[in-house]
Amino acid sequence: EVQLVESGGGLVQPGGSLRLSCTGSGFTFSDHYMDWVRQAPGKGLQWVGRSRDKANSYTTEYAVSVNGRFTISRDESKNSLYLQMDSLKNEDTAVYYCTRSTYLQNSGYYFDCWGQGTQVTVSS
Amino acid sequence: DIQMTQSPSSLSASLGDRVTITCRASQGISNYLAWFQQKPGKAPKSLIYAASSLQSGVPSKFSGSGSGTDFTLTISSLQPEDSATYYCQQYNNYPLTFGGGTKVEIK
Repeated sequence: EVQLVESGGGLVQPGGSLRLSCTGSGFTFSDHYMDWVRQAPGKGLQWVGRSRDKANSYTTEYAVSVNGRFTISRDESKNSLYLQMDSLKNEDTAVYYCTRSTYLQNSGYYFDCWGQGTQVTVSS
Repeated sequence: DIQMTQSPSSLSASLGDRVTITCRASQGISNYLAWFQQKPGKAPKSLIYAASSLQSGVPSKFSGSGSGTDFTLTISSLQPEDSATYYCQQYNNYPLTFGGGTKVEIK
């Protein structure tokens, strides 16, 4: 069974840092693009960033709102995806989800699996 | 950025009704459009990819259509378990963007 489990959320002060983890199981982690998506309280879904697969050297993309503050990385040996969040702002308060993307010709890279999410609260 | 506009933002329908949600992209995205279902307090669930392909395990009462800029999600016969918020998402360009959501309630 494909599973994604996030961890690492919590309460942090503005300007602080936090690292989220997402561990995958039931699939070959390195073969998939992986993304972070967040949802502020009572709001919709917002894409945060992406790590491409091993074949694409795990290169990354970021939303403008987090570029330069957040960093996505992987540990292949642990089947884990990370989101290092620095210089956190109140508006980064959200539930953070990791997602797996699968590729099919003529279908592109589409989300097909979501973790349960981890809560990040930025507040003094 | 590509803006995704969903309509309506909410709807109330009766059991057994056919429900249609619309999603419009601010520019052409080919068929790189996905739909997700989210119930309160839960993670989103992937329903449809490539505008009309059903994710594994998703019941056939869900269907999607469209290409270019205009897309629809249809629930053929509304049931209590379909009460949720539905989001569209384009994955043709970075940044990936979502619609604002459509909340579906049962009358």
